[in-house]
Amino acid sequence: DVKVTQSSRYLVKRTGEKVFLECVQDMDHENMFWYRQDPGLGLRLIYFSYDVKMKEKGDIPEGYSVSREKKERFSLILESASTNQTSMYLCASVGGNSPLHFGNGTRLTVT
Amino acid sequence: GENVEQHPSTLSVQEGDSAVIKCTYSDSASNYFPWYKQELGKRPQLIIDIRSNVGEKKDQRIAVTLNKTAKHFSLHITETQPEDSAVYFCAASIGGYSTLTFGKGTMLLVSP
Repeated sequence: DVKVTQSSRYLVKRTGEKVFLECVQDMDHENMFWYRQDPGLGLRLIYFSYDVKMKEKGDIPEGYSVSREKKERFSLILESASTNQTSMYLCASVGGNSPLHFGNGTRLTVT
Repeated sequence: GENVEQHPSTLSVQEGDSAVIKCTYSDSASNYFPWYKQELGKRPQLIIDIRSNVGEKKDQRIAVTLNKTAKHFSLHITETQPEDSAVYFCAASIGGYSTLTFGKGTMLLVSP
């Protein structure tokens, strides 16, 4: 069974802090994604990666960056957290004949 | 890029009734349409999907229909049960499992 693990379930950070959200998948998937989920706005794509060291902007990349140094790990970085980045962040991966699988999510609060 | 509209945003039904959620998409090149169910506090999970070479697909109490000409697809749940209560997301993509564009979600509440 595919496992996508996000390192933190809940995070509280202060405005201006640098924040790292980590995601690891165990199925050797090529493609990994970061989504943001907000009530009434659904799932919006922030960044995705098709391979190690490759990254592509999604629909709402502003204020975020990503890192993929190893195939199994995809990190989302908030360079300077702001209150409007308070949200649920979902990592996902897909590869081969497997559909998109999500992690459990990280609920980030920026105060 | 692709745009997916989903209706209704909330849906309340009585146990045993049927529920229908509808989505439209904008890019005629889209050919993969999955549906995800997200229970409270849990991750979204795939419940059914359909590809553009098929008009309808069923899996027990759930079914999805696709009308490529009109660019819309629908999720049908029959004999609803309280455990069907969740948020349902439709999505569309070009080329199978590549980048999905999601609708905004439908909160389904099934009352006993």
